[in-house]
Amino acid sequence: AQSVTQLGSHVSVSEGALVLLRCNYSSSVPPYLFWYVQYPNQGLQLLLKYTSAATLVKGINGFEAEFKKSETSFHLTKPSAHMSDAAEYFCAVSAMNSGYSTLTFGKGTMLLVSP
Amino acid sequence: DVKVTQSSRYLVKRTGEKVFLECVQDMDHENMFWYRQDPGLGLRLIYFSYDVKMKEKGDIPEGYSVSREKKERFSLILESASTNQTSMYLCASSLGVNLAPLHFGNGTRLTVT
Repeated sequence: AQSVTQLGSHVSVSEGALVLLRCNYSSSVPPYLFWYVQYPNQGLQLLLKYTSAATLVKGINGFEAEFKKSETSFHLTKPSAHMSDAAEYFCAVSAMNSGYSTLTFGKGTMLLVSP
Repeated sequence: DVKVTQSSRYLVKRTGEKVFLECVQDMDHENMFWYRQDPGLGLRLIYFSYDVKMKEKGDIPEGYSVSREKKERFSLILESASTNQTSMYLCASSLGVNLAPLHFGNGTRLTVT
């Protein structure tokens, strides 16, 4: 069964510092991978997705993620954190469910940004 | 923009009550999903639907049922609410193409006392 593991339930950075949120996946087939963001009191929004094209995927708000098959990883990065990036981030992998494709989400990483 | 609307932002119900959570999307999406979100557990899929009157169990369907009588509406039903169903419930929709992005509502925070 497909699954994702997000390392670190909380990550703290200073404004302007590099953001690195870790995600490792487990999949028996080539995976499709996603990062979603959830701002306080809102639903989730898609940041970016990997669907077996380029291994470096660029998303919204300056975020990007690199698919590394050898490491089974799909870590999310941003060169310089902004206060507005404070939110919870979820990695997700495609999974087959009763013959249909669904998403399995990780447990989430809360990003805290300090001035 | 796609809009997914969940009828209630906060809901408080008593143990044993029958509870209906409603979700409506306005973009003619074929696929609709119900997740529950709990701290430290992330999102877990309860039920999903790929067409009107069609439903499939997700990872944690026990204690829940769903109804999809119209394409735009997907209802989650708690037949007899229990305290362990206190949670945030998120509805999502997507186009018919596999792995199209999910569009989420803002969630319903249900408390069962």
